[in-house]
Amino acid sequence: QVQLVESGGALVKPGGSLRLSCAASGFTFNDYYMTWVRQAPGKGLEWVSFISGSSDFQNYADSVKGRFTISRDDAQNSVFLQMKSLRAEDTAVYFCARGTGDGVLDFWGQGALVTVSS
Amino acid sequence: QSVLTQPPSASGTPGQRVVISCSGSSSNIGSDTVTWYQQLPGAAPKLLIFRHNQRPSGVPDRFSGSKSGTSASLAISGLQSEDEADYYCAAWDDSLNGWLFGGGTKLTVL
Repeated sequence: QVQLVESGGALVKPGGSLRLSCAASGFTFNDYYMTWVRQAPGKGLEWVSFISGSSDFQNYADSVKGRFTISRDDAQNSVFLQMKSLRAEDTAVYFCARGTGDGVLDFWGQGALVTVSS
Repeated sequence: QSVLTQPPSASGTPGQRVVISCSGSSSNIGSDTVTWYQQLPGAAPKLLIFRHNQRPSGVPDRFSGSKSGTSASLAISGLQSEDEADYYCAAWDDSLNGWLFGGGTKLTVL
């Protein structure tokens, strides 16, 4: 069955950096887009970034553009989110989700908590 | 960045039918597939409806979706206590070149 497992969440100071990982299993990894979606405490869902199956295409929400970088390693069935210049407003649970070609995020991981605080 | 517009809350009694709306624009709901997610407290979002009105296996047929123009709706019939959760609509946005989510609707079963 499809499984997505995030790791790397931590408490980090403002201005700091962090790298999240998402390990995938149960499907042909390079056939799918992979995305990151975050949820601030008590708030709704916010799309952060996506990367295509071949890594040809990536895009970012305006709120993280220039600070976050998405990448994937198809040999390791993993997707990563490198976050730098972190701000308090980046505090959230970060979910990794699988994206189909017609725009459906059909499977989600359990999330990794990132807390940005001094 | 803009979001899709949902009512913040909805409620109903067991057995009732509840409808949650989601309003967007021509660059998202108007031109792309609408997806609905259910999020139980402390859990990850779960796919409920995709391509406007399709259900993944395992989702009861009490849940149904529809779309008209730049709006979509999720209907839950025969409301049950375990339906108490947050519900989010989502759609790809051609202007954003990314996904847009609704603000979420908290459903309370009275």
